[in-house]
Amino acid sequence: GEEVAQTPKHLVRGEGQKAKLYCAPIKGHSYVFWYQQVLKNEFKFLISFQNENVFDETGMPKERFSAKCLPNSPCSLEIQATKLEDSAVYFCASTDRNEKLFFGSGTQLSVL
Amino acid sequence: GENVEQHPSTLSVQEGDSAVIKCTYSDSASNYFPWYKQELGKGPQLIIDIRSNVGEKKDQRIAVTLNKTAKHFSLHITETQPEDSAVYFCAPPGTGFQKLVFGTGTRLLVSP
Repeated sequence: GEEVAQTPKHLVRGEGQKAKLYCAPIKGHSYVFWYQQVLKNEFKFLISFQNENVFDETGMPKERFSAKCLPNSPCSLEIQATKLEDSAVYFCASTDRNEKLFFGSGTQLSVL
Repeated sequence: GENVEQHPSTLSVQEGDSAVIKCTYSDSASNYFPWYKQELGKGPQLIIDIRSNVGEKKDQRIAVTLNKTAKHFSLHITETQPEDSAVYFCAPPGTGFQKLVFGTGTRLLVSP
């Protein structure tokens, strides 16, 4: 597609439940990134992929967060045993090697 | 790692005025300097970027200037319009391909 598609738009989970977010990158883009936006203006890099391979995972809280990009499937970000502080908007972005990042509209995760 | 500061945090202008937002970074090895616009409920959208071998780049009403010696780059919007109202972020990459380090954002309000 011509835009990064993220689903769902909104996700509500009780504390301790699992949350799974999906991202379809722009067709032809080989790099996928996940960012977390909290408190409206604070962005945090989580993880990036080159095709199905993890490229950089230095931002991932590894205990409860995991991510995958499998061939012919949307990429996914999964949070096991969600906590209140996981409430944020999660953005996916994609690019090819030209470095211009294109972001999706995000998934708003609310943990109650 | 990269430290990014962005000023001002809010900026109110009248339609037709110019707006300037400044971003200061710490990593002298940075060589790519993008500006993103985020509207309510949407993901960041790349509006202009510049590489370190260029001092200024212009695209219609938007320009970016870079001062590598002083380690800052600025976004200039001329003839502002109400639809320019949004939050603007500078986001130079830290150590890693497109591992963006976002500034704290500038809320621009353009009044008719």
